Amino acid sequence: DTAVSQTPKYLVTQMGNDKSIKCEQNLGHDTMYWYKQDSKKFLKIMFSYNNKELIINETVPNRFSPKSPDKAHLNLHINSLELGDSAVYFCASSPGVGSKNIQYFGAGTRLSVL
Amino acid sequence: AQTVTQSQPEMSVQEAETVTLSCTYDTSESDYYLFWYKQPPSRQMILVIRQEAYKQQNATENRFSVNFQKAAKSFSLKISDSQLGDAAMYFCAYRSSKYNFNKFYFGSGTKLNVKP
Repeated sequence: DTAVSQTPKYLVTQMGNDKSIKCEQNLGHDTMYWYKQDSKKFLKIMFSYNNKELIINETVPNRFSPKSPDKAHLNLHINSLELGDSAVYFCASSPGVGSKNIQYFGAGTRLSVL
Repeated sequence: AQTVTQSQPEMSVQEAETVTLSCTYDTSESDYYLFWYKQPPSRQMILVIRQEAYKQQNATENRFSVNFQKAAKSFSLKISDSQLGDAAMYFCAYRSSKYNFNKFYFGSGTKLNVKP
């Protein structure tokens, strides 16, 4: 009964490979997010979708492509992985409106690019 | 753009003592929300407490309370009777209530160590 679940938890891969991280939420939220947390723990937003529509698209290399097949899922695909992509990637969701617009986070995916 | 600043990269507290983590933010808006999130070694981000800017009363959640100073744009977190399980990274976050209200701005975090 995990609220926001992302898979895999750990991902080790070689430079140049393509990989995907999946995220699903069962909270009925309208908005989902992808964050990148670097080695210094700084949390930076990458993308946000509201009801399958892209609403936030920060300055992220176009090797990163989010996909939202429905409002409960937001996947992140990364092409041609680079060493600098190594980080922890967090998925989150929120109701999207009003005072209850609190973010709920997944447990993170630690990506290591060798 | 809004910015959130946590000036204390790391802090330590003795078990059962009280500690205060600082957070300041920059905004031109009058209506917004502030949050403290906890990230233990398990990596899971957990909401600790939140404050609505239009409320003058400081939010409290059991041993956690905030000191919200709107004019000073300050939002500190006080942890009373610290426990070993409080050891974690703590992130302060800001969200507008009107403009781009889906965008959360996070500070750089404060690592809290709790000594037995």
